[in-house]
Amino acid sequence: VQLVQSGAEVKKPGASVKVSCKASGYTFTDYYIHWVRQAPGQGLEWMGWIKPHSGGPNSGQKFQGRVTMTRDMSISTAYMEVSRLRSDDTAVYYCARGSDFWSGHFDYWGQGTLVTVSS
Amino acid sequence: QSVLTQPPSASGTPGQRVTISCSGSSSNIESNTVNWYQQLPGTAPKLLIYGNNQRPSGVPDRFSGSKSGTSASLAISGLQSEDEADYYCAAWDDSLDGLVFGGGTKLTVL
Repeated sequence: VQLVQSGAEVKKPGASVKVSCKASGYTFTDYYIHWVRQAPGQGLEWMGWIKPHSGGPNSGQKFQGRVTMTRDMSISTAYMEVSRLRSDDTAVYYCARGSDFWSGHFDYWGQGTLVTVSS
Repeated sequence: QSVLTQPPSASGTPGQRVTISCSGSSSNIESNTVNWYQQLPGTAPKLLIYGNNQRPSGVPDRFSGSKSGTSASLAISGLQSEDEADYYCAAWDDSLDGLVFGGGTKLTVL
């Protein structure tokens, strides 16, 4: 099982960023993909989930309206887009595989994507 | 301010047993399962304990988890230098309708 994420990004405040997470080694549609971020020197923050088979993304209250999670089943890839970027969105963004949306049981993680927001 | 409360730091000497606490409420820890993650510097988190006290394959039995009421604990016995890392607890919160993490505990092996 592998989750391989796209490379680091540098964006200006107000722009958008889209991070990809390509899954391999398992049936993509059988598991949820969750997104978690970590600001420099800070702890982990859950952002939301998407179920590849049915979509139905759900983002945390803090991110609703600014985060969009999608997937392309044909290439086993999930995407997470953050719009209207602010400096405090600077963080490493991780995707993680979960068997459901509620347990917080993430058995495989991507390597992380550093997003830097700076003018 | 994290919804789940962990001590910011913990320490122990090789061979010692250390415990890390995670305090929550009726809407998260008391009503849902707790998971623990280990994060080594510069790497992605790794699942250490799931379902309160279950270890994924490959995780040494030196690591154990427990839960009682609105609190949970991670215990590490026979402490080793490679256990030096950040540790996070996580649980679903029914009121927030989202997953919440503790603020993390930095474990130092003296």
